[in-house]
Amino acid sequence: EDQVTQSPEALRLQEGESSSLNCSYTVSGLRGLFWYRQDPGKGPEFLFTLYSAGEEKEKERLKATLTKKESFLHITAPKPEDSATYLCAVQAIGYNKLIFGAGTRLAVHP
Amino acid sequence: DTAVSQTPKYLVTQMGNDKSIKCEQNLGHDTMYWYKQDSKKFLKIMFSYNNKELIINETVPNRFSPKSPDKAHLNLHINSLELGDSAVYFCASSQVSGLGTGELFFGEGSRLTVL
Repeated sequence: EDQVTQSPEALRLQEGESSSLNCSYTVSGLRGLFWYRQDPGKGPEFLFTLYSAGEEKEKERLKATLTKKESFLHITAPKPEDSATYLCAVQAIGYNKLIFGAGTRLAVHP
Repeated sequence: DTAVSQTPKYLVTQMGNDKSIKCEQNLGHDTMYWYKQDSKKFLKIMFSYNNKELIINETVPNRFSPKSPDKAHLNLHINSLELGDSAVYFCASSQVSGLGTGELFFGEGSRLTVL
């Protein structure tokens, strides 16, 4: 069964303290891996799509990487406005749906 | 100009009642989805429509009935509400291509509370 596991469940950082979020996945054949950001009371907001191992994408302080078994979301010198829940999702080949992990709640304190 | 809008944002109702949630997207996408996010924050797909045709129907009780009058609208009707239906329901849309679903654009969610 296709599955996505994210760790840690929650992460507290000081402003400027870099860290990484992990997304491990099991999928029959990966079509794409997606990262989303979700703020409280809002819908998820798209960040990145990665399609093949070795691929990297960057946006401001965020960088997403992909291997054959997991993806990392690296946050460099985070700011309080980066506080949110970060969701990882995979799409399997032949299926038009995303399977989401439970997310990592990130809190960045000044 | 909201890309994916759903109404209402909040519903509070009694067990056994029937309720509907409406969704509209102005992105010109051909595929729309309903996702359910439970108290543990897991987002699970319920249904997907492509150009008004149902293409994904996960193991959802038949008390839930989606309807897509056109490719810009996807509604969700729920009969005989139960306590376990309490959740946040998200509508989303995407443009399916050879690369797959593409990025999903989500609405702000409809929080359903069943008392």
